[in-house]
Amino acid sequence: AQSVSQHNHHVILSEAASLELGCNYSYGGTVNLFWYVQYPGQHLQLLLKYFSGDPLVKGIKGFEAEFIKSKFSFNLRKPSVQWSDTAEYFCAGANYGGSQGNLIFGKGTKLSVKP
Amino acid sequence: DTGVSQDPRHKITKRGQNVTFRCDPISEHNRLYWYRQTLGQGPEFLTYFQNEAQLEKSRLLSDRFSAERPKGSFSTLEIQRTEQGDSAMYLCASNTLGALAGVSYNEQFFGPGTRLTVL
Repeated sequence: AQSVSQHNHHVILSEAASLELGCNYSYGGTVNLFWYVQYPGQHLQLLLKYFSGDPLVKGIKGFEAEFIKSKFSFNLRKPSVQWSDTAEYFCAGANYGGSQGNLIFGKGTKLSVKP
Repeated sequence: DTGVSQDPRHKITKRGQNVTFRCDPISEHNRLYWYRQTLGQGPEFLTYFQNEAQLEKSRLLSDRFSAERPKGSFSTLEIQRTEQGDSAMYLCASNTLGALAGVSYNEQFFGPGTRLTVL
């Protein structure tokens, strides 16, 4: 069955610390992968996406993610977090071309950044 | 703001009542999706439309749930005889499947959600 799993439920960091949030997927065939962010009181926003090509993708606000096919992973990274990065982060996957329509989300990782 | 909009943003109802939510997608998008999100979980897919056709329904969508998109623009999600377990955030998303350099992609744009509380 298709699935997306996130390793950490809650991560607490101090400002300027480096961030890596884990995401593993289980999909047959080619997969589209996404990281969405949900800031407190706001709706889900796309942080970055991978469809094909360069496995290192860069998103907004200094975030990046690396698609490692051999490890079925798509981890999110940021070299230096800020207090404003406090939010919940969701990894999601979809079949190539979205023929089945839906995104499958991980359970999310809540990031708290201490000033 | 030309993003996805949802109405109402909050709904409190008593068990057994019917509720209806509305979603207005981004105007040029032909696909519209409904998801449900409960506390501590990621969004879970309920159903989606391409234009006015409902193409897929999740097993989460019990007989008490019905969704429509009559003119291929806005959509409604109705829950009949609500139960306390229906309490959740109901999210709507939209997109148009595209292709870039021969690769199809499925980026979805989300609305703010409708938070349903069933007492």
